[in-house]
Amino acid sequence: DAKTTQPNSMESNEEEPVHLPCNHSTISGTDYIHWYRQLPSQGPEYVIHGLTSNVNNRMASLAIAEDRKSSTLILHRATLRDAAVYYCIPNTGNQFYFGTGTSLTVIP
Amino acid sequence: GAGVSQTPSNKVTEKGKYVELRCDPISGHTALYWYRQSLGQGPEFLIYFQGTGAADDSGLPNDRFFAVRPEGSVSTLKIQRTERGDSAVYLCASSRYTGKRETQYFGPGTRLLVL
Repeated sequence: DAKTTQPNSMESNEEEPVHLPCNHSTISGTDYIHWYRQLPSQGPEYVIHGLTSNVNNRMASLAIAEDRKSSTLILHRATLRDAAVYYCIPNTGNQFYFGTGTSLTVIP
Repeated sequence: GAGVSQTPSNKVTEKGKYVELRCDPISGHTALYWYRQSLGQGPEFLIYFQGTGAADDSGLPNDRFFAVRPEGSVSTLKIQRTERGDSAVYLCASSRYTGKRETQYFGPGTRLLVL
């Protein structure tokens, strides 16, 4: 199983960009990188996923390193509603292996 | 459309009792997953179904835990002789298919407290 390393916590000021890093150096060549977030007292919520190319959607952007050993989730303008725990998950095709994620605090 | 629903939302039981937790996946989703989340930790995999069959139950902690999905839709997680250490949030997720591109959609969870 691909292991991931994420900072335990990060802070951002409201309306500023946030870059959430993840190292997944043991990822296999065909595993997609998924990002989920979990707001307090809720189930995890899908954010974005990608394989090799950078990806954008209405929620965020995903920048994937050329060697695929790391990726960065980018929130372009953090809002208070973005305060959550963010998990990066190399998808091996079956169950997800969550780590402890990054707890993001957004400062008004 | 309707998302994944789980019932009950909260369950309090006494040590040694039997509990059942229900998951209603998104209609048409063939894969269904159960996870368990302890306080301050990320969700941990328990079991997943492809259709009616358990494709991987390697995450079930012991034989007190069992899950079924008899008609390939609704699933029930069953815990016998509950212990205080079983207290956690039990999360269910579903996906259209299995595969590395597939997105899993999670329910709100059932919070189980064993006294």
